[in-house]
Amino acid sequence: EADIYQTPRYLVIGTGKKITLECSQTMGHDKMYWYQQDPGMELHLIHYSYGVNSTEKGDLSSESTVSRIRTEHFPLTLESARPSHTSQYLCASSERGQWNSPLHFGNGTRLTVT
Amino acid sequence: SQQGEEDPQALSIQEGENATMNCSYKTSINNLQWYRQNSGRGLVHLILIRSNEREKHSGRLRVTLDTSKKSSSLLITASRAADTASYFCATMSNSGYALNFGKGTSLLVTP
Repeated sequence: EADIYQTPRYLVIGTGKKITLECSQTMGHDKMYWYQQDPGMELHLIHYSYGVNSTEKGDLSSESTVSRIRTEHFPLTLESARPSHTSQYLCASSERGQWNSPLHFGNGTRLTVT
Repeated sequence: SQQGEEDPQALSIQEGENATMNCSYKTSINNLQWYRQNSGRGLVHLILIRSNEREKHSGRLRVTLDTSKKSSSLLITASRAADTASYFCATMSNSGYALNFGKGTSLLVTP
């Protein structure tokens, strides 16, 4: 198993609350990603980062934001949670260099917004 | 989007049987990867096949790639109950920046 950690594992929160999903990796990987996984299993890329101070939006539009102040840390923030944000959020990282490198995933955060 | 599409959506077999899952994609790729996801967990990388390769083996896994048909298959031989999981293919285009995942195949292996 890869050394990439996500907290919390489960979060149930009311509409309008601000939340931050944490993701940390101890492998020194430059590249990090956030995927959103539908109940039907499909994954969608919502954010990625090439390295410190680099953040980019992915293919799926998301109201969330990310930051990359340290190599090992890539938190995702929702300023005002809504029921439509209910989903599983998966963080991943990969090595520097070619984009061929396999992704290492955390175990995910399952978010429910009531 | 050049997301892969796995087929079948769900597969149920008995221990000892072989399981075959297929993946189709839309555009030219640099490589194709297969991942496994156990229930409630993150994805785990299984195998990567480059666009200039046709077949690759890893233990009980065999992956084929046909770039002319834009398709790949994952074969798990002599399946075990522990192989029960969802399996995803993921593609990286030549100009891509991240992997695009398909919808996955849910495999159930019964004792």
